[in-house]
This record gives sequence, C-alpha cells and structure tokens, in this order.
Amino acid sequence: DTGVSQDPRHKITKRGQNVTFRCDPISEHNRLYWYRQTLGQGPEFLTYFQNEAQLEKSRLLSDRFSAERPKGSFSTLEIQRTEQGDSAMYLCASSLGREYTGELFFGEGSRLTVL
Amino acid sequence: AQKVTQAQTEISVVEKEDVTLDCVYETRDTTYYLFWYKQPPSGELVFLIRRNSFDEQNEISGRYSWNFQKSTSSFNFTITASQVVDSAVYFCALLRRGQNFVFGPGTRLSVLP
Repeated sequence: DTGVSQDPRHKITKRGQNVTFRCDPISEHNRLYWYRQTLGQGPEFLTYFQNEAQLEKSRLLSDRFSAERPKGSFSTLEIQRTEQGDSAMYLCASSLGREYTGELFFGEGSRLTVL
Repeated sequence: AQKVTQAQTEISVVEKEDVTLDCVYETRDTTYYLFWYKQPPSGELVFLIRRNSFDEQNEISGRYSWNFQKSTSSFNFTITASQVVDSAVYFCALLRRGQNFVFGPGTRLSVLP
C-alpha cells in the first residue's frame, strides 16, 4: 500500500498525558498537512509542511501542540498535557507540486480519546 | 473571509434514486478551486473532483456529475442511480491560492437497499 499511513489509528489517554501521532506521506509528495476533525464537522487545518519546513500554523494549534517533519519525509504531531477538548480525529494528508492547487491524499486518521 | 456551506446535514435515499448534494461557497478571490471529497466509514477522505474558478463546464464521471455555477456560488454534486456503496459523508471544500483548504461541514448520505 503506497498511500498515506497514520499510526496509531486509535489512542485512548488520560487527561494530562502526552501523545504523539505519526504520519508517513506518499513518498514523492513534498507537502504534508495535519487536520483535525471533530464529530459532525469537516476537517480543520492545523499545520502544513513543505519538505521539512513548517510554513503555516493555524490558531487552533495551541502551545501544547507541536509538529515536526525532520527529514522532509514522515511527520509527527505531539500533543502535550492533553485535555478532553483535544478528543478528535487527527488527519494527515500529502500532496505534490509547487502550486498550492493539488488534490490532497488523506490517511485514515488517528482517533484520539482523552478521558 | 471564505466559507463553505453544506445545508443538508443528512440525506437518506433508496437505492437507484438520484440524489443531489448542495454546496455553496463564499470567497472574494477570482482564482480559487473547489473540491469534493468522500469519507466512507473507514475514515479516509477520498478525492472525487477539482474545479478551478475559470472552468464552469459541468462534468460527468460515470454516475457522478457536478454542476458549477459562479453566479450562485454553488458547486452541487449529483449521484445518479445511487448504490449502497455510495453511503458516506461528502465534503465540499474551497481552496484559494496560497491559502489552505476550507471544508464544509459535510453531508451524510445514507443509501438504503
């Protein structure tokens, strides 16, 4: 399978704990995105990388959130001191090209439940 | 500001019926792109179509068709002869140059056998 893969698919944690999600994009894709989706809503943009550079962060991304893409390949999204409001599906997507017009290829998401 | 509205939260149809999913967008840009994505129960969003703002030609792909009308800021999606496998949440999205995707809230389609 050469699509976008995310790990873990489901994480249950207690409030206050740290969690980390990993995303492996399609290998030749230079752009990588993180989105958050809550029940009954569309995906909301969190952050975006072009190669290893993090070019944009949403206001939704509080100081407890950090994302990296150290070698321009896989990416991690860490949430520190989780809160119940962080419970959501975290989606990773990748795309190819210089222009910001390409379709996004999404992974199946990592569902976070904070108890 | 840019915004995407999908007024239909949920739609149920019986197999073989035609169904239209509505999408209305707001943007002041003259260059933008519109997308439809399908999210089946597995969770992965699947790309269906992209249109740019200069191409108002309607498109048909098998049982799927899209009607783009700039005059009404609408980009509606029709499934002809629906099937149970079409059951999913469908998202309309807007992309402006240099900006990020803005997704609508989605329409949950249930196709009953």
